[in-house]
Amino acid sequence: NAGVTQTPKFQVLKTGQSMTLQCAQDMNHNSMYWYRQDPGMGLRLIYYSASEGTTDKGEVPNGYNVSRLNKREFSLRLESAAPSQTSVYFCASSEIINQPQHFGDGTRLSIL
Amino acid sequence: SQQGEEDPQALSIQEGENATMNCSYKTSINNLQWYRQNSGRGLVHLILIRSNEREKHSGRLRVTLDTSKKSSSLLITASRAADTASYFCATTGANNLFFGTGTRLTVIP
Repeated sequence: NAGVTQTPKFQVLKTGQSMTLQCAQDMNHNSMYWYRQDPGMGLRLIYYSASEGTTDKGEVPNGYNVSRLNKREFSLRLESAAPSQTSVYFCASSEIINQPQHFGDGTRLSIL
Repeated sequence: SQQGEEDPQALSIQEGENATMNCSYKTSINNLQWYRQNSGRGLVHLILIRSNEREKHSGRLRVTLDTSKKSSSLLITASRAADTASYFCATTGANNLFFGTGTRLTVIP
């Protein structure tokens, strides 16, 4: 099925470890996004890429970096994981910015 | 923050009844979108309403937008057990979406 694929689905890290979350879309979308979802907080935008070759900070970028590897792939990196980064991470894509987004099923990340 | 806020936080109804949830936001918008999230899954886009539109329909969904009150409502008619999910409104800023905290809808068979 066409859509947004996130890997891994689950991950447990120790404080201070690094990790890259992968995201790929096969809908030829220009824009891609990374969100985190915490209980009672809704979704908060971490970083986004309006088009290939560009990335911008969202609402909560501290502690994260991103790479728009090509039009299909947008990765999120935690350089030194902290317990406050325990969350569910969602990747999304849209044809252009501000248009309806298609979401992956998330990566559940726990940091001990 | 431009984040939308949904009301109520939780709603429980019987199958066949209508469900109404509301969204309020703080600043001017380009469009407002509604999404559904089933437990353990990603969000699914339901409907988009532009700032110059007042009402929009899609199947059993009806969305209204009142830009003077900075509010929107989502009505689901003749609800089904399969409608059980969390519903989020999302408002567009300059280059991204701001999501609210969601309404948890439970439809009892």
